[in-house]
Amino acid sequence: GAVVSQHPSWVICKSGTSVKIECRSLDFQATTMFWYRQFPKQSLMLMATSNEGSKATYEQGVEKDKFLINHASLTLSTLTVTSAHPEDSSFYICSASSSDTSYEQYFGPGTRLTVT
Amino acid sequence: GENVEQHPSTLSVQEGDSAVIKCTYSDSASNYFPWYKQELGKRPQLIIDIRSNVGEKKDQRIAVTLNKTAKHFSLHITETQPEDSAVYFCAASIVLGQAGTALIFGKGTTLSVSS
Repeated sequence: GAVVSQHPSWVICKSGTSVKIECRSLDFQATTMFWYRQFPKQSLMLMATSNEGSKATYEQGVEKDKFLINHASLTLSTLTVTSAHPEDSSFYICSASSSDTSYEQYFGPGTRLTVT
Repeated sequence: GENVEQHPSTLSVQEGDSAVIKCTYSDSASNYFPWYKQELGKRPQLIIDIRSNVGEKKDQRIAVTLNKTAKHFSLHITETQPEDSAVYFCAASIVLGQAGTALIFGKGTTLSVSS
């Protein structure tokens, strides 16, 4: 149980374009989803927290207009990187939790984004 | 806000030895402390966690201890095996108000177990 999927697993896009990443909880209802960014050999940096049906809460320093987060249902959250630049290249990982999982976070497999 | 410090950043041990990774946190309101193992290019996997009403928890070769007064918690791996080699992250919970709770991660420890 507590499986989280992420799509796509990797994506290459040109500078200036937008990329959407999906995060799905497959076997539980995720009241809260989290988006992290991880640079090579570094830790997970929390970007934002989203609750179903409400606006995401962004961490300090994260541009909400650049990283659009939508949590439209209890099983799906999306992260859209708008007007991507090479410095946005990173590993993006989502996680999901709910009262059913005792607030433990279960991570998706991650999305490797490369902006050329 | 919450700050989680993790030490050491790298740890090399011989197979069969024990490994200890330590973390400190700053927010006294934190009450949930998970440990994750991440292999290269893969998702973090929860290996053990502890809540603030418990001082120690053990699961086979892995144990975690928590000292709430001192605001530190540690991961202990006994009888290490080469497959324990990975990056380990500690984390501490923070309250986001109506948004619920989130985790703040330490910088990670790269554990290498040589046979």
